Amino acid sequence: NAGVTQTPKFQVLKTGQSMTLQCAQDMNHNSMYWYRQDPGMGLRLIYYSASEGTTDKGEVPNGYNVSRLNKREFSLRLESAAPSQTSVYFCASSEGNVGGRYTEAFFGQGTRLTVV
Amino acid sequence: AQSVSQHNHHVILSEAASLELGCNYSYGGTVNLFWYVQYPGQHLQLLLKYFSGDPLVKGIKGFEAEFIKSKFSFNLRKPSVQWSDTAEYFCAVKTGSARQLTFGSGTQLTVLP
Repeated sequence: NAGVTQTPKFQVLKTGQSMTLQCAQDMNHNSMYWYRQDPGMGLRLIYYSASEGTTDKGEVPNGYNVSRLNKREFSLRLESAAPSQTSVYFCASSEGNVGGRYTEAFFGQGTRLTVV
Repeated sequence: AQSVSQHNHHVILSEAASLELGCNYSYGGTVNLFWYVQYPGQHLQLLLKYFSGDPLVKGIKGFEAEFIKSKFSFNLRKPSVQWSDTAEYFCAVKTGSARQLTFGSGTQLTVLP
């Protein structure tokens, strides 16, 4: 039972390079999320997709784009990486709102990205 | 907008000490509340959650949390911590019509053997 799978686990980029972080979930969840984690700032939402075919900006969307390829996959793209995007990135998925209750999010293992 | 505050940034305890980590949120309506734990080098895992009903919620590994609506709080407790509880703990809230969780800044717990 894989849950939420992210690739790659580690990446070093030069300023200005682009890359795509991949995320896939096998739990048939409707909602998927991308967070970044920085020391002392907790997790901040970059983008989310409440359901297949929809995406919305979160708290810190600048410099990122996302694609909800299908129900399973939700990718995050950095078009022109900057040192400020050095962070640990987590993908998560959840069933979303079920009967008025927000079901918990399940997280991937994270991608440690360094931009030099 | 929903927000969550965790005022303890780093807590250091000896084994067998009791633990209480603070979490306050800013919303007066219906809330769904969560505590997650992140062990070193690992992803976040759910400790416990509150939707409604009994305000005292029991989670995994002996953790519990109490929802106090009048104080907008959802503090995490454990009567006796172990070295293996060393981790970062995150409180999260989902309120009203919001479609995603908002996380607090986290509390790093270090348990000394």
